Amino acid sequence: TQLLEQSPQFLSIQEGENLTVYCNSSSVFSSLQWYRQEPGEGPVLLVTVVTGGEVKKLKRLTFQFGDARKDSSLHITAAQPGDTGLYLCAGEGSGGGADGLTFGKGTHLIIQP
Amino acid sequence: DTGVSQDPRHKITKRGQNVTFRCDPISEHNRLYWYRQTLGQGPEFLTYFQNEAQLEKSRLLSDRFSAERPKGSFSTLEIQRTEQGDSAMYLCASSFTGATRTQYFGPGTRLLVL
Repeated sequence: TQLLEQSPQFLSIQEGENLTVYCNSSSVFSSLQWYRQEPGEGPVLLVTVVTGGEVKKLKRLTFQFGDARKDSSLHITAAQPGDTGLYLCAGEGSGGGADGLTFGKGTHLIIQP
Repeated sequence: DTGVSQDPRHKITKRGQNVTFRCDPISEHNRLYWYRQTLGQGPEFLTYFQNEAQLEKSRLLSDRFSAERPKGSFSTLEIQRTEQGDSAMYLCASSFTGATRTQYFGPGTRLLVL
């Protein structure tokens, strides 16, 4: 069974601060996706990372896929209240078994003005 | 809007009743997935289709759950004899078949079983 551990589970910081969210597993994934989810809505895709060591930037968000494709991080620079939400990482299996994504429990992020 | 759509957005039902949810995927996508999400948890995979074929089912999908995708386009998820433990957000996602199968999610159907 593939598991993804996200940390921290909850994070509340002031506007303008930087933060990093981690997503770790003992399993190898063929790709990893980050989503943001608002209350009562479905997850919205932020990025997909595929290659070990890959770094992708989306404005103030920087995503990194670990060299061994077992972990990932999301770094937000100068957080803004609009960044508030639930951030989910999800891994796609490296072969065999279900093709459904394995999700972490998510990081609840609150940016206070 | 060409995103994934789901209907209804909310459903309240009494224990023991049957419910059916519909998902319309992004039109070019041949894969369709169903997930369930309970409060405080990430989504959990239930099942997926490639075109009209149901290729994988999770252990979470009990005998009371059935999913169909008769023409390879929209899909339905039916829950028979609902139980209070079925209360959750039911999410649908779709993707291409390819090297990177990025999944795009719909807004979900929130089910409350009284």
